[in-house]
Formats: sequence, C-alpha cells, structure tokens
Amino acid sequence: GQNIDQPTEMTATEGAIVQINCTYQTSGFNGLFWYQQHAGEAPTFLSYNVLDGLEEKGRFSSFLSRSKGYSYLLLKELQMKDSASYLCAVSDYQLIWGAGTKLIIKP
Amino acid sequence: NAGVMQNPRHLVRRRGQEARLRCSPMKGHSHVYWYRQLPEEGLKFMVYLQKENIIDESGMPKERFSAEFPKEGPSILRIQQVVRGDSAAYFCASSPRTSGNQETQYFGPGTRLLVL
Repeated sequence: GQNIDQPTEMTATEGAIVQINCTYQTSGFNGLFWYQQHAGEAPTFLSYNVLDGLEEKGRFSSFLSRSKGYSYLLLKELQMKDSASYLCAVSDYQLIWGAGTKLIIKP
Repeated sequence: NAGVMQNPRHLVRRRGQEARLRCSPMKGHSHVYWYRQLPEEGLKFMVYLQKENIIDESGMPKERFSAEFPKEGPSILRIQQVVRGDSAAYFCASSPRTSGNQETQYFGPGTRLLVL
C-alpha cells in the first residue's frame, strides 16, 4: 500500500535547529516534496528531491535516501514565523500526502 | 504572473443547497488538482483534471460531488445537497506537467465552505 509517515507535532526553541522526518512506502517514486502550511493558509512549496542527498536553500535543507524510503527537512536558526505545519508528499504519478507535522516554536 | 485563484474564499450554505467552487490555474498550467482539508488534518486528494478530461477521480465521493475543467473558463468543483460533514477547506492546485513526471503543484488560497 501507499503510506507516508511523519510526526504529528514537534516543539523547538527560537534560534535552534529542528529536523522533521518523513518515511514513505509507495509503489513508485518520482520525487519527494516538502510544503509549508501556516494555519488557515494554503500550502507553499519548499523543496523537491528526486536524487539522494542534501538540497540546501538558505535556512532550509531537505535530504533524501531512496533506498531507505526516508527524507528529512532541516530548519536552522528557527524564527517564530516558522511555526507552521510541514507536509511531506511523495510523487507516484500522483502526489501522496503525509498528514503533516505541526511545528511549534517557543521563545 | 498571477498565482492560482480560487473563489469564493468563503462560502456559507444551508444543508441541501449546492456549492460551486471555482479555480483558475496559473497561466501556462493545464493541470488542476482539488484537495479537501478538515481542521487539524492533512490534505486529502479528490480529483485531478486536465482541460476537458478527468484524469483521476479516485478521491471523490461517489455521490453529490463532481468536477470539471472546461476548455474555456475555470475548473469547477460542485457539491450537491451539501451536508454538515462537507464543511472544510477546499484547495485547488495547478501544475504545468509538461513531462511524464510529477511537477510542483502550486496552491490557491482555498475556499472555506461552512454548511449550516
């Protein structure tokens, strides 16, 4: 079956680093996406990984291991505005979405 | 370049009425996706359309729900005889999908449907 797993909720401190993990089991794989969704707003695209390794974009980095069915999103120098849900989605012809990880940032 | 547009942003309906949600994809995008999201829950795929074609409707409820993407005009998600359980945020996303692989989907602001 198709399955995407990510933690329901995480808490971190402003200025710190947090890693949000995503594991997946899908019949096919055409890439993995990370989206950010603030409460009451639409998801916005953060990153796309299709090859193994780390992709860095400013304070955000995303890692993929296809052999392990595993990805993580790394957020550095956390700011209060990073409080949001982070959605992992795997492309298998269609996008299969995880339930999202709610990240709470504390001062 | 305008993003994905959805209207209305908020829609209130009484039980039994019809709800029509509209989505205009980004310029140059020919693929539209509809999602439903309940409060504090993840996105649930409903339907994937290209112009004049429904590609995948595996996430659509079998009754009362329909979607179209005509040659001209926006994509429409139609919910007939709404019930309270239909209250949710409905997001539309679009992608260019010029290749066989998945392209990044860009989301509209959503329509919040409230059924009284």
